Amino acid sequence: DAGVIQSPRHEVTEMGQEVTLRCKPISGHDYLFWYRQTMMRGLELLIYFNNNVPIDDSGMPEDRFSAKMPNASFSTLKIQPSEPRDSAVYFCASSQPRDRVATGELFFGEGSRLTVL
Amino acid sequence: AQSVTQLDSQVPVFEEAPVELRCNYSSSVSVYLFWYVQYPNQGLQLLLKYLSGSTLVKGINGFEAEFNKSQTSFHLRKPSVHISDTAEYFCAVSEVGANTDKLIFGTGTRLQVFP
Repeated sequence: DAGVIQSPRHEVTEMGQEVTLRCKPISGHDYLFWYRQTMMRGLELLIYFNNNVPIDDSGMPEDRFSAKMPNASFSTLKIQPSEPRDSAVYFCASSQPRDRVATGELFFGEGSRLTVL
Repeated sequence: AQSVTQLDSQVPVFEEAPVELRCNYSSSVSVYLFWYVQYPNQGLQLLLKYLSGSTLVKGINGFEAEFNKSQTSFHLRKPSVHISDTAEYFCAVSEVGANTDKLIFGTGTRLQVFP
């Protein structure tokens, strides 16, 4: 089975440009999470969706960040305009609580490494 | 709210030596506990988890962890490490009874195994 697929794997852009990161979760998974990883802050949860609906976006740093999940097989994280401090690895993960009981097993993509110059 | 503390940012160790990676958590509610591993240029993958039952949990690649409620700890151990265990290890918690797999991660411990 295919795992979580993220694109692009690497993105280098200039300050002020729009950046769009993409994620395809594992088929059948109900939950989708976006995490950001930096040396200074480690792994931060930005936002997560349940059945395509955003549930908690309290981790989104500011209005420059937005995320959408138009259908069960696709999600985007957009940064507009981008800034150098947004440089990080962005991970998408999906999960499927069994019998509606969360077990904490997230399946991660390989990440999108963003560099903003 | 929950939080996770991994006291050691880096742990260097020689091959075949034992290792312990420390994790402490703070929470006002009961939690599930997890260890994830991240190999270079890859995403995270689940190493082991504690949901209930025996406090000693065994995971993949010979790792194990012990849940200690009184000390709010969940330390990860391996009796003999290999070069291939070189990676970043993350401890994480989630809230018991929640209907979501939302995880709060620690800052990670980089395990470096030397020959």
